[in-house]
Amino acid sequence: DTEVTQTPKHLVMGMTNKKSLKCEQHMGHRAMYWYKQKAKKPPELMFVYSYEKLSINESVPSRFSPECPNSSLLNLHLHALQPEDSALYLCASSQVAGQGTEQFFGPGTRLTVL
Amino acid sequence: GEDVEQSLFLSVREGDSSVINCTYTDSSSTYLYWYKQEPGAGLQLLTYIFSNMDMKQDQRLTVLLNKKDKHLSLRIADTQTGDSAIYFCAESMGGSSNTGKLIFGQGTTLQVKP
Repeated sequence: DTEVTQTPKHLVMGMTNKKSLKCEQHMGHRAMYWYKQKAKKPPELMFVYSYEKLSINESVPSRFSPECPNSSLLNLHLHALQPEDSALYLCASSQVAGQGTEQFFGPGTRLTVL
Repeated sequence: GEDVEQSLFLSVREGDSSVINCTYTDSSSTYLYWYKQEPGAGLQLLTYIFSNMDMKQDQRLTVLLNKKDKHLSLRIADTQTGDSAIYFCAESMGGSSNTGKLIFGQGTTLQVKP
């Protein structure tokens, strides 16, 4: 299995809602990533988990809360989002975190905040 | 700081070769990547090159690296309509920041005309 899966594919939420994005991989990778991608822009790194511990937080607002319950799963909890948070949220994984490791991306969750 | 630049658009005819160019700034980058993103999809890793290499060939893809000028190119031979997508160049941050963080260029939209 060489796939990163993400659910849901699409999500529409209001500014007062709480929702979660899920990411899963069964490649035995020990590094997992969340990226945010606005339309016609490159992905921007949000968080990196290495061996289930948060290793990088790119100064992301606290309304985004990542969680790595085990080595195969990565969640992104969303609360009190703003319309400008609407974007494609991409999950990726790699064997370990570091140079030269291939990052495999999921198809993304397209989030719309009303 | 780190920065990756690409031209935004390239249009070619089916069967021609496409060349997508990229410049980067982090001299400690040891790995450089090319990703492909089709509309509404995640990123697909096409190929990567280690900085001690000048060239890497993989079927229709040829990557050239000029480390002195910090210039990277991706050549697609016999371009097909299915190659129409956005192509992102990315560098992996090196030095003491060996975190696996990828810095992406803005992406080059490749349009292949039949």
